[in-house]
Amino acid sequence: DAKTTQPPSMDCAEGRAANLPCNHSTISGNEYVYWYRQIHSQGPQYIIHGLKNNETNEMASLIITEDRKSSTLILPHATLRDTAVYYCIVRVASTASKLTFGTGTRLQVTL
Amino acid sequence: GAVVSQHPSRVICKSGTSVKIECRSLDFQATTMFWYRQFPKQSLMLMATSNEGSKATYEQGVEKDKFLINHASLTLSTLTVTSAHPEDSSFYICSARDVGPSGGDTDTQYFGPGTRLTVL
Repeated sequence: DAKTTQPPSMDCAEGRAANLPCNHSTISGNEYVYWYRQIHSQGPQYIIHGLKNNETNEMASLIITEDRKSSTLILPHATLRDTAVYYCIVRVASTASKLTFGTGTRLQVTL
Repeated sequence: GAVVSQHPSRVICKSGTSVKIECRSLDFQATTMFWYRQFPKQSLMLMATSNEGSKATYEQGVEKDKFLINHASLTLSTLTVTSAHPEDSSFYICSARDVGPSGGDTDTQYFGPGTRLTVL
């Protein structure tokens, strides 16, 4: 699976949009981009995934560049409860392939 | 989203004893489950892949005789830490693979809340 690069930490004011970038320049054509987050002392929570089209669900939006070499997870109105470590993971979805967790981005939402 | 439970959420045991952790998919069937371990201030590390009805596949460096995995049904996988020692103290997390209602080619792993093991 392709490697991803994320900034180690970000801050965001409550109520503002949080934009979390991820670089995956070696992504292959059959690899999806997955986003998970882990709130302290909890198991990771699935957020969203996509292949090449932008995706939106009740939690977030995923914007994937046309060349698929990078993506951005958008939390439209961040709250204090969104403080967590966010992981961007690239993997082939058609097999039971592993999720390889990197170090992620620690998002701190502040008042 | 799909729900995965783990039991117990926290366990403290004496060195040398064995501890069993259960992972259940509550509203979907999971032919594949995964077990991870997370040490403080570190990321999740995959320990093994558990397939229903067959032997688990362990990652390099994980002792299969120490971490026994059983996946006897489509909704339950267990991890037994045998002869636990203080260095096994960690946060153990399972996940279950949901292939979705149509069995399409986009599957998603859903994670349990984790089990914190402390070995004295």
